[in-house]
Amino acid sequence: GDSVTQMEGPVTLSEEAFLTINCTYTATGYPSLFWYVQYPGEGLQLLLKATKADDKGSNKGFEATYRKETTSFHLEKGSVQVSDSAVYFCALLNTGGFKTIFGAGTRLFVKA
Amino acid sequence: NAGVMQNPRHLVRRRGQEARLRCSPMKGHSHVYWYRQLPEEGLKFMVYLQKENIIDESGMPKERFSAEFPKEGPSILRIQQVVRGDSAAYFCASSPTENPYGYTFGSGTRLTVV
Repeated sequence: GDSVTQMEGPVTLSEEAFLTINCTYTATGYPSLFWYVQYPGEGLQLLLKATKADDKGSNKGFEATYRKETTSFHLEKGSVQVSDSAVYFCALLNTGGFKTIFGAGTRLFVKA
Repeated sequence: NAGVMQNPRHLVRRRGQEARLRCSPMKGHSHVYWYRQLPEEGLKFMVYLQKENIIDESGMPKERFSAEFPKEGPSILRIQQVVRGDSAAYFCASSPTENPYGYTFGSGTRLTVV
């Protein structure tokens, strides 16, 4: 079945460092891919999405490119801030489906 | 424009009691999804409902769990005779269409069974 694998955390960075969180997926068909962010004590918020191969999703300085050839959707940010500390979830939704499949999440700590 | 509203935010129940979790979708959204997040894990699909209909409940345990989305009022996730393993965060999401290209999630209900 469909699945999402993302790098284990926690990831600890200093402010203004470059961030990469790896995400790979297994799916039949042509899924849409998402990154969600969960701040402490809150629900998930959609951060960005891409619906077809080679699409780049971007928001708040974060970006991820849908790579069909490597089945990946890595999250990147050029310069992280303390306020980016959260748990990041990679997810997929297959064509015509309604069940979003989530990865286990990667916790990010950013130190001042 | 209120988002997805879940209550209560925190719920403590003793083993054997019932837990009722409520979710009011965003205005204009008629599709509701419930997910469960166990500690240090991602979210797992439980059930998908439209008004007065359960569309898919394949992720919901067969016993003790039930969900409804009545014509009027919020969606309810009900857990009877709770056990310690039910302790988790339960998230509700809604969407305006059947194919949710990006959910809007509520803030969740954190259930603790003591």
